[in-house]
Amino acid sequence: AQSVAQPEDQVNVAEGNPLTVKCTYSVSGNPYLFWYVQYPNRGLQFLLKYITGDNLVKGSYGFEAEFNKSQTSFHLKKPSALVSDSALYFCAVPPPYALNFGKGTSLLVTP
Amino acid sequence: NAGVMQNPRHLVRRRGQEARLRCSPMKGHSHVYWYRQLPEEGLKFMVYLQKENIIDESGMPKERFSAEFPKEGPSILRIQQVVRGDSAAYFCASSQDILNQVQTGPYSGNTIYFGEGSWLTVV
Repeated sequence: AQSVAQPEDQVNVAEGNPLTVKCTYSVSGNPYLFWYVQYPNRGLQFLLKYITGDNLVKGSYGFEAEFNKSQTSFHLKKPSALVSDSALYFCAVPPPYALNFGKGTSLLVTP
Repeated sequence: NAGVMQNPRHLVRRRGQEARLRCSPMKGHSHVYWYRQLPEEGLKFMVYLQKENIIDESGMPKERFSAEFPKEGPSILRIQQVVRGDSAAYFCASSQDILNQVQTGPYSGNTIYFGEGSWLTVV
């Protein structure tokens, strides 16, 4: 079965520091991998996706993700965190029709 | 270009009543997905529909829940005889018609776009 795992329930980072939100995947064949963000009481917003090609994928709001096939990971990164980045982040994989989401990682950026 | 529209945003129902949640996909999208988000449980897939067809309902509870996406009008998620455990946020999402995309399998890598959700509270 296609699945993703987000090993951290919460990540805390100081504003201005780099951030990483982790995601590992388990898929058969070529993986399609997605990151979404959810702000409180809002729907999910698409950040970026990996389909094929460059291992470093750039997305919205300055986020990027690195696809690592040997480590089966697709970690979300940002060089300099903002307080406004505080939200719930979901990694997802499609198996086979809709997206299956990880349980989410709560990111808290402190001033 | 309007996004995925869901209504109502908030709905309160007494136990035993019916809840109807509506979803209008983005313009040009003919694929609709419903998800449920329970407190502390993350986002769970419920059902995937195309116009007039249910493609995958593997995440739908077997009783009291139904979904449709008619030829005309929005997709409807219907919950009959609601119970307190149905209290949750219900999200609709949509994607483009995959027949227009290069396919390497049932899923072609289309992005799914979400609505703002409908929060159901059962009292």
